Amino acid sequence: AQSVTQLDSHVSVSEGTPVLLRCNYSSSYSPSLFWYVQHPNKGLQLLLKYTSAATLVKGINGFEAEFKKSETSFHLTKPSAHMSDAAEYFCVVSRNTGGFKTIFGAGTRLFVKA
Amino acid sequence: GAVVSQHPSRVICKSGTSVKIECRSLDFQATTMFWYRQFPKQSLMLMATSNEGSKATYEQGVEKDKFLINHASLTLSTLTVTSAHPEDSSFYICSARPGQGSPYEQYFGPGTRLTVT
Repeated sequence: AQSVTQLDSHVSVSEGTPVLLRCNYSSSYSPSLFWYVQHPNKGLQLLLKYTSAATLVKGINGFEAEFKKSETSFHLTKPSAHMSDAAEYFCVVSRNTGGFKTIFGAGTRLFVKA
Repeated sequence: GAVVSQHPSRVICKSGTSVKIECRSLDFQATTMFWYRQFPKQSLMLMATSNEGSKATYEQGVEKDKFLINHASLTLSTLTVTSAHPEDSSFYICSARPGQGSPYEQYFGPGTRLTVT
C-alpha cells in the first residue's frame, strides 16, 4: 500500500527566509516521488521528481528535495522564499507496479510575508 | 515540454443539465488519462483512469453513470457530468501519460472549474 503525509497544512515564512515543507511516504515498492505547486485557480506545475537516481533532487525556481529512505521522507526546501512562492504544494507518490497509481498528499499552503 | 489542455476552463450550468469537459494531449499520444476532482482547499482525488479504446476504471465511490468518461483517441478524453447538481461543483483536473518515455511521467491539464446553479 502507498500513502503520503504532508506534515503541515500551513506554513508561513517571511520573504528571504528558508522554506521547509515536510513530506513522509510509505510504499511497498520503490517509490517515485514528486512535488507539485498549484497557484490559486490554476493547474499543477511539476517542481521536481525523484525516480531512484540521485537522492538530492534539484527542481525549478530554486527548490530542491532530498529522498531519505531511512526516514521515509522527501522534504521540499528552498533557501530564500519569494512572494511568488505563495501557493499550495502537493507531495505525490507514484508507482508503476501492478498498475500505475498516483497518490496525492493533502497539500501544504505556503504563505510568504513581506 | 508535454502540454495537456482542458476545455472549457470554466463552465456554469443549471442543475439537471449535463456538461462535457475535454482533455487533450497536444504534442504527445496519451495511452492513459486520469481524471481528478479537487474540492476547495483540498487535495486532488482520483476519480477514474481511462485507457484509449477501453472502458474507464472508476475509483471506489465514484458513480460511473454520473461521470461518463470516454477516451476515444490517443489525444482526447472527455468527462461528462450527467444530471449535474450543486454538489458536483468542483475543480476537475485531467492528466495524461505518454505511451513512451519514463513510466512515471504524467502531465496535468490546467483544470476546469464547474459551477452548478
